[in-house]
Amino acid sequence: GDSVTQMEGPVTLSEEAFLTINCTYTATGYPSLFWYVQYPGEGLQLLLKATKADDKGSNKGFEATYRKETTSFHLEKGSVQVSDSAVYFCAVINEKLTFGTGTRLTIIP
Amino acid sequence: GAVVSQHPSWVICKSGTSVKIECRSLDFQATTMFWYRQFPKQSLMLMATSNEGSKATYEQGVEKDKFLINHASLTLSTLTVTSAHPEDSSFYICSARGPSRGGPVIRNEQFFGPGTRLTVL
Repeated sequence: GDSVTQMEGPVTLSEEAFLTINCTYTATGYPSLFWYVQYPGEGLQLLLKATKADDKGSNKGFEATYRKETTSFHLEKGSVQVSDSAVYFCAVINEKLTFGTGTRLTIIP
Repeated sequence: GAVVSQHPSWVICKSGTSVKIECRSLDFQATTMFWYRQFPKQSLMLMATSNEGSKATYEQGVEKDKFLINHASLTLSTLTVTSAHPEDSSFYICSARGPSRGGPVIRNEQFFGPGTRLTVL
């Protein structure tokens, strides 16, 4: 079946630092790829997605590019804010959503 | 828009009792709802998929007689953990697919509830 491997946390950064959270996947066919974010006390929210190779998803300053050759979908942001503190999940979908383990990100002022 | 709620947000119960968790889509009709289970520091694992008005489809290894799922309306699905035991303690998350408000359905997008933490003593 499909699987997702993402960077283990927790990750702690200073405000305005550059962020990368690595994500690689194993899946058959041509899956869509997602990043979800879970803020404290809230449900998962879709952060961004990409549906085919070389697509770049972006939202709220976050970006991720669908790299089929390396089966990766790394999440990046150039300058993080305290409000970005949350748990981030990488996910792949064929018939169903398969999640990575999540990466807890804490941004300190 | 596309808000999903869960109730209760947390519950503590004694071993052997049953617990019901509700999942509601507040501002859209969800023909499909999903139930996930999340252990500490682990992925969300899909337990079952339910379509309104039909029986749920369970993932391999999930006991259908222990985790009863009812999807009686387009806005409500329930998960009942029957005869709960300490090993059932976990974080249960539901999601609902497809805001159907007259516009195009966003394919494959699921909207997640905030989760329910179950502790069985």
